[in-house]
Amino acid sequence: AQSVAQPEDQVNVAEGNPLTVKCTYSVSGNPYLFWYVQYPNRGLQFLLKYITGDNLVKGSYGFEAEFNKSQTSFHLKKPSALVSDSALYFCAEKRDSSGSARQLTFGSGTQLTVLP
Amino acid sequence: DGGITQSPKYLFRKEGQNVTLSCEQNLNHDAMYWYRQDPGQGLRLIYYSQIVNDFQKGDIAEGYSVSREKKESFPLTVTSAQKNPTAFYLCASSNRAGQLDTFGSGTRLTVV
Repeated sequence: AQSVAQPEDQVNVAEGNPLTVKCTYSVSGNPYLFWYVQYPNRGLQFLLKYITGDNLVKGSYGFEAEFNKSQTSFHLKKPSALVSDSALYFCAEKRDSSGSARQLTFGSGTQLTVLP
Repeated sequence: DGGITQSPKYLFRKEGQNVTLSCEQNLNHDAMYWYRQDPGQGLRLIYYSQIVNDFQKGDIAEGYSVSREKKESFPLTVTSAQKNPTAFYLCASSNRAGQLDTFGSGTRLTVV
């Protein structure tokens, strides 16, 4: 079973409106959770992460995410969307391996389009 | 500037050919990873390496091979046994704590 789920393939929002990109996880213990953004034909850029501590995490470019253990969610949010936020967004979590390194497991991605 | 360099950016392979994708990092990271990205499927782990001269298979290792002779380098070979190699390949590295992965800019491989 997939350990990270992004239920929406596509999210459209008008510029200036708040945006939410959803992510749920299913892993025991204490997950490391991440959001990355990808522009066409580029690598992944780190936005924010939750390791421990405050449930509300603030990241790059005005994005934030809230770790909700009871709902096993880590939704990405921004109060006011920009056209330049249009990109592919990935949620990811790290799972234990047999060694010290922990590999990222990605959701399927959500294409965000901000309409002018 | 520290970072990860992947080359080439675009690569074309003929049927039956082996090709090697380069990944170099100067971040002094111990762990390195290779992912494959296909439309609508997110990223899937091919191989990873925690230390020099050691590597493990990921979720989709068949048809691929790697080496880790130097800490800075983790090349990926796409062999002729990989039946559907056309994809976008991403390399990443992380420090010992594993709390942040840095990604290269990717190599787009196309079979012609």
